[in-house]
Amino acid sequence: EIVLTQSPGTLSLSPGERATLSCRASQSVTNNYLAWYQQKPGQAPRLLIYGASSRATGIPDRFSGSGSGTDFTLTISRLEPEDFAVYFCQQYGRSPRYSFGQGTKLEIK
Amino acid sequence: EVKLEESGGGLVQPGGSLRLSCDASGFAFNTHEMNWVRQAPGKGLEWVSYISGSGNAVDYAESVKGRFTSSRDNAKKSLYLQMNNLRAEDTAIYYCVTSGATIPAFDAFDIWGQGTMVTVSS
Repeated sequence: EIVLTQSPGTLSLSPGERATLSCRASQSVTNNYLAWYQQKPGQAPRLLIYGASSRATGIPDRFSGSGSGTDFTLTISRLEPEDFAVYFCQQYGRSPRYSFGQGTKLEIK
Repeated sequence: EVKLEESGGGLVQPGGSLRLSCDASGFAFNTHEMNWVRQAPGKGLEWVSYISGSGNAVDYAESVKGRFTSSRDNAKKSLYLQMNNLRAEDTAIYYCVTSGATIPAFDAFDIWGQGTMVTVSS
């Protein structure tokens, strides 16, 4: 079973700063099928990045994804007030069919 | 507009059953794989089940295998999750999700419903 571990658990930054979130897999992710989601309180998650580095429709270019194999990164180049939320990574392919990381909370410092 | 709308959640006793529904609109439902994802209160996301576009292939998380059954009616553009022998740990918001409606990929969930809450308690 593939397990995704996100770090840090909580990240405290100020608007305008750069955010770097990590997602590490216990085994290599099939074809780099790694996605990132943003979730705000009381809302469903929103897809940001798929295929490790492709931005979903309507996602601002300050969001970027990188990595391959077992190590992946979500970078937010300059934080806007609306970016403070919880972020999840997700993989497709290995048993189980899909799995999620435990999440990183990005909070205002 | 591409949309998914869940219904059927509620309060049920341990050991009881519940059937969730998800109505789809704005995309070619019969060509899309569908999934259920859940989120326990204050917790992370957990994939629950998968069903192919035709309905001929299904897959489940180990935590629900043998208790939950996913099905679909393509004529009605609807997805279902039959949940039997419910446990307290099944308490969660259940989201209906799909992939490939707005992105050229099947491996990530680009469309989410608003979710329906299931509470298992005596």
